[in-house]
Amino acid sequence: DARVTQTPRHKVTEMGQEVTMRCQPILGHNTVFWYRQTMMQGLELLAYFRNRAPLDDSGMPKDRFSAEMPDATLATLKIQPSEPRDSAVYFCASGLVRGDGDYNEQFFGPGTRLTVL
Amino acid sequence: AQSVSQHNHHVILSEAASLELGCNYSYGGTVNLFWYVQYPGQHLQLLLKYFSGDPLVKGIKGFEAEFIKSKFSFNLRKPSVQWSDTAEYFCAVDTGGFKTIFGAGTRLFVKA
Repeated sequence: DARVTQTPRHKVTEMGQEVTMRCQPILGHNTVFWYRQTMMQGLELLAYFRNRAPLDDSGMPKDRFSAEMPDATLATLKIQPSEPRDSAVYFCASGLVRGDGDYNEQFFGPGTRLTVL
Repeated sequence: AQSVSQHNHHVILSEAASLELGCNYSYGGTVNLFWYVQYPGQHLQLLLKYFSGDPLVKGIKGFEAEFIKSKFSFNLRKPSVQWSDTAEYFCAVDTGGFKTIFGAGTRLFVKA
């Protein structure tokens, strides 16, 4: 049963600390998305990758957030320094885009619940 | 810019009531359409999807959605809701495999 995994599931940290969230997409998927979900803003797309290359990270605060895919099995989202307003649930999702631009649905991971004190 | 609009932010129904959640999108080209559901404390899961063909799509748990191209709509329906349908529902639109745009979500609460 293929699924997206995320670690850690919960993270509590103090303001100013670095936070790294990890995601393992479903094997064979070539597109990875990072979302942030809060009560106030709902589900926001932060960044997404195709074949490990960043296609769009316009939803991310550039000064403190960074997203990478060191290899096809790992995507990371880093916040440095973290702030209380970063408290949210961060979801990773993966999907498969075929050559004709059409693709299947996104499969979401369980999320990382981040609390910045 | 492309956008997805969900008409209701909160819906409260009694069990056995019928459900219809509205979703409209703004994009003139070919689209792929999705409804996702997020149960309390869980991640988003696909409920149903439309790529082409019959505009009436049936999904899991008795849900269905109808794509009306002329109205740019993809409304979600269920004839009789259950308490276990309490969740947040997201409409999403893909305009070409590059990125999916999600609506703001509709929180459904079903009273037992």
